[in-house]
Amino acid sequence: AQSVTQLDSHVSVSEGTPVLLRCNYSSSYSPSLFWYVQHPNKGLQLLLKYTSAATLVKGINGFEAEFKKSETSFHLTKPSAHMSDAAEYFCVVSPSSGSARQLTFGSGTQLTVLP
Amino acid sequence: DGGITQSPKYLFRKEGQNVTLSCEQNLNHDAMYWYRQDPGQGLRLIYYSQIVNDFQKGDIAEGYSVSREKKESFPLTVTSAQKNPTAFYLCASSFSLAGLTGELFFGEGSRLTVL
Repeated sequence: AQSVTQLDSHVSVSEGTPVLLRCNYSSSYSPSLFWYVQHPNKGLQLLLKYTSAATLVKGINGFEAEFKKSETSFHLTKPSAHMSDAAEYFCVVSPSSGSARQLTFGSGTQLTVLP
Repeated sequence: DGGITQSPKYLFRKEGQNVTLSCEQNLNHDAMYWYRQDPGQGLRLIYYSQIVNDFQKGDIAEGYSVSREKKESFPLTVTSAQKNPTAFYLCASSFSLAGLTGELFFGEGSRLTVL
């Protein structure tokens, strides 16, 4: 069994300040973890993924996430927010040897970037 | 450019009518998926297909039907049996179902409203 919890449904930051989007997971198996971004009325785009290699994962657009097994967390960060980062972000978990059929999506975090 | 095309982008339906959402991909991917997205919820899997002429029910298949007659195409029919069809529907594809690398490629979605 697996599940994912995004701890904040909404996050607001000022442009140029750090971003932190929190994700905790539960998995009976060694997990793979992903962050996707969705701009309004668009499809999802992969930001980054953890698949049991380095625990600090770098993604596109300056985002990164750290896999912490002891805390069962995979928080998404960015040092300096840009207006174009305003979107909804989804944390996703699957078994590391699993298939796309076994993806579990979090409920999403809406990021607002204030000027 | 390679990608996934969904149509129509917006669709209105009267109660009791069936509607079909189109999904076409030119990425040469074997696996294709349909997800439903409701506000404040993660994506839920409706149907998936890993090869032509084969498809499987996902977590919320009741009231929906699909076909996979061509590799490039995976249309979704929302039938009158679907009790609450108003939602945002996303089509996705991946190179294969097994050996997950994590990256699903998404279309821009179809928003269905039942009047």
